[in-house]
Amino acid sequence: QAQLEESGGGVVHPGRSLRLSCEASGFAFSGSAMHWVRQAPGKGLEWVAVISDDGNKKYYAPSVKGRFTVSRDNSENTLYLQMKSLRPEDTALYYCAGPSMLTTVPFDYWGQGTLVTVSA
Amino acid sequence: QSLLTQPPSVSGAPGQRVTISCTGSSSNIGAEYDVHWYQQFPGSAPRVLIYGSTHRPSGVPDRFSASRSGASASLAISGVQADDEADYYCQSYDSSLSAWVFGGGTKLTVL
Repeated sequence: QAQLEESGGGVVHPGRSLRLSCEASGFAFSGSAMHWVRQAPGKGLEWVAVISDDGNKKYYAPSVKGRFTVSRDNSENTLYLQMKSLRPEDTALYYCAGPSMLTTVPFDYWGQGTLVTVSA
Repeated sequence: QSLLTQPPSVSGAPGQRVTISCTGSSSNIGAEYDVHWYQQFPGSAPRVLIYGSTHRPSGVPDRFSASRSGASASLAISGVQADDEADYYCQSYDSSLSAWVFGGGTKLTVL
């Protein structure tokens, strides 16, 4: 059974950096494009970034482009999100999500999320 | 503002049929990209409710159905039950942004 476990969240001052990790198990991680999705407290879901299975293609939401970098280590089955120049509006629960192997669903597997709070 | 527009809330009495709309544009739903629907309970991660615009994963009751037309999609719940109270999100892909997009979410209240 596919499992995703995020870590690395915490409280950080505006302008600082933070790196999130997502450890995957139970599915073909190295063959899967992986996403980060976030959810601000009491708000809706917002797609953040995607990385191709080989790590060569990366796309970002306009709100984080130039500040966030997605990467992966297929030998460790781990996905990363490096966040720089953090803003209060980046405060959210950050989920990693993986696609279905059988359908076109991009967000089939979800972790439980890691909370990032950007505050002075 | 989300590129996919959903009503913030809908409600219905137990047993009634409720629908949730999702309005997009020519660069997402109207461009015939797949629409997926997710259900999220408080404190939990979302789960796939409908994929590929109209298909239910195994385990999802057939009370849930979805359709699409033009640049819009909709989710229908027939015979709504108290444990259907949750937030519902539509999701597609937008070619103008090269981004995956979600609707703003709809909170379903069962009266």
